[in-house]
Amino acid sequence: DAKTTQPNSMESNEEEPVHLPCNHSTISGTDYIHWYRQLPSQGPEYVIHGLTSNVNNRMASLAIAEDRKSSTLILHRATLRDAAVYYCILRDGYYGQNFVFGPGTRLSVLP
Amino acid sequence: DVKVTQSSRYLVKRTGEKVFLECVQDMDHENMFWYRQDPGLGLRLIYFSYDVKMKEKGDIPEGYSVSREKKERFSLILESASTNQTSMYLCASSMRTGVAKNIQYFGAGTRLSVL
Repeated sequence: DAKTTQPNSMESNEEEPVHLPCNHSTISGTDYIHWYRQLPSQGPEYVIHGLTSNVNNRMASLAIAEDRKSSTLILHRATLRDAAVYYCILRDGYYGQNFVFGPGTRLSVLP
Repeated sequence: DVKVTQSSRYLVKRTGEKVFLECVQDMDHENMFWYRQDPGLGLRLIYFSYDVKMKEKGDIPEGYSVSREKKERFSLILESASTNQTSMYLCASSMRTGVAKNIQYFGAGTRLSVL
């Protein structure tokens, strides 16, 4: 699975939007972009995933660059509960079964 | 809601003991996974299983074995626990095919201390 690069940490104010970047310059045509997050003292949880088009769900939005070499996870209004480590992961859509988790981005949300 | 349940949140064992970590999922998922998580190293895959009695080595299988006798249960075994196996252990499950295979569901984790 191709590698991703994320900032180590980011800070946001409560109720403001948060844009979490991820670079994946070696992405292949069949790699899906996945985002998971891990709240303190919990296992990771699924946030969103996409292939080429931007995606929205009740938790977040995923904006994918046209060349697919980068993507951005958007939390529209950060809450204190969104403080977590966010992982951007690539996985082959056809053959991939497991995920390779990098160090992720630690998001702090300030009241 | 999908539930992945790990038998213990905290476990303390002695060096040389045989340790069993149990994981059960209730969504009839084909795939199950064991990871360990250490500060600065992220999550690393130990073993995974894509069917009953099937197993595949992950990135760090040394010192571990697994058992999958039933679809819903995946056990991680430390044959002779050592202090460098002190870690947080996370179990996950997912479907094997279809769009839903993109979603892994994780348990809350077992924090194992080997003294």
